[in-house]
Amino acid sequence: GNSVTQMEGPVTLSEEAFLTINCTYTATGYPSLFWYVQYPGEGLQLLLKATKADDKGSNKGFEATYRKETTSFHLEKGSVQVSDSAVYFCALIRGGSQGNLIFGKGTKLSVKP
Amino acid sequence: EAGVAQSPRYKIIEKRQSVAFWCNPISGHATLYWYQQILGQGPKLLIQFQNNGVVDDSQLPKDRFSAERLKGVDSTLKIQPAKLEDSAVYLCASSTRGGTGELFFGEGSRLTVL
Repeated sequence: GNSVTQMEGPVTLSEEAFLTINCTYTATGYPSLFWYVQYPGEGLQLLLKATKADDKGSNKGFEATYRKETTSFHLEKGSVQVSDSAVYFCALIRGGSQGNLIFGKGTKLSVKP
Repeated sequence: EAGVAQSPRYKIIEKRQSVAFWCNPISGHATLYWYQQILGQGPKLLIQFQNNGVVDDSQLPKDRFSAERLKGVDSTLKIQPAKLEDSAVYLCASSTRGGTGELFFGEGSRLTVL
């Protein structure tokens, strides 16, 4: 079946540190991949996406590259800020599907000043 | 542009009682989703509507959960009777159409079943 596996949290970093949150997936066909973010007290929101192999999604200084050979979509940011503290969810949708997102369990990030 | 509206934000009930959650999606969004998010887990789809028709309800516990989207706009999710394991945040989301993966979520309705 289709599934997403994320690294366990919580992750605690100091401001300006480099961030990597690992995400791997299992899917039939060619899925589209997403990172969603949930800031404290807010709803989930789309952070970035990639729809085919080798695509790089980017937004707000975050990047993730769709690696078909390793079935991965790791989230990275070169210099995190306190305001990046949130829960990050990796998700997929099957290629050609009219269906829904399948989410990982989420990784909580805390950034200390 | 107004976002996805949900109510109530919080609800505490005893087991075997009933509860209903309401969602108003972004205007013009044809697809509406209800997700269940249990603490420490990612959201899990309960039901997906396209306009007022059901696209996917394969993970909806139909013996106790029901949902409707009359007139293809707002939607109600009901649980009756509630169990302890139904304690979760119920997320409503909408999108312009199914299959994009680009969903707009409400803030959620947190249910505690005692």
